[in-house]
Amino acid sequence: KQEVTQIPAALSVPEGENLVLNCSFTDSAIYNLQWFRQDPGKGLTSLLLIQSSQREQTSGRLNASLDKSSGRSTLYIAASQPGDSATYLCAVEETSGSRLTFGEGTQLTVNP
Amino acid sequence: GAVVSQHPSWVICKSGTSVKIECRSLDFQATTMFWYRQFPKQSLMLMATSNEGSKATYEQGVEKDKFLINHASLTLSTLTVTSAHPEDSSFYICSGQGYGYTFGSGTRLTVV
Repeated sequence: KQEVTQIPAALSVPEGENLVLNCSFTDSAIYNLQWFRQDPGKGLTSLLLIQSSQREQTSGRLNASLDKSSGRSTLYIAASQPGDSATYLCAVEETSGSRLTFGEGTQLTVNP
Repeated sequence: GAVVSQHPSWVICKSGTSVKIECRSLDFQATTMFWYRQFPKQSLMLMATSNEGSKATYEQGVEKDKFLINHASLTLSTLTVTSAHPEDSSFYICSGQGYGYTFGSGTRLTVV
């Protein structure tokens, strides 16, 4: 059974810092991995999707990497801003069209 | 981009009553709809998977007679919480699968 773990559970940083969020998964046979953002009481917004054949994806200040063999992904946020404060979730899709298995998230607070 | 409209965004109901949550895919056909439940500061727990025109597949431990899912069309899926009790209070989110996964904005259910 696939298990997804995110570290740290919570992170508080001053504005402007670069930061790294970690995600690990137990079964490396995945189809893709996604990073989502969730604001309090809201749904999920997809940030980045990395196919199993890819190493990384970038969008603006966000960069996600994937090391499938070691079962790890990182989300790098450059020059953090207070508006980045949210919970970040990673999720793996094991086969095309299958369920997503989520980690428990990292709650990020960026202080002005 | 793809949008899933979820309603209501919040609802308070009395114990013993039923509540219906709707998810509509606005600009794509969701062949599959996933229904999740999320407790405070926890990740998303998959409750059931529904495919248009067929019965939903429920995860282990989820009572199918309590959480009725209907996916009558490619653009509409509903979750009905029957005979709701305070322990059913939670955040419910749907996710439609068309091109990737698109999440609704969630429904906060409070049973009093």
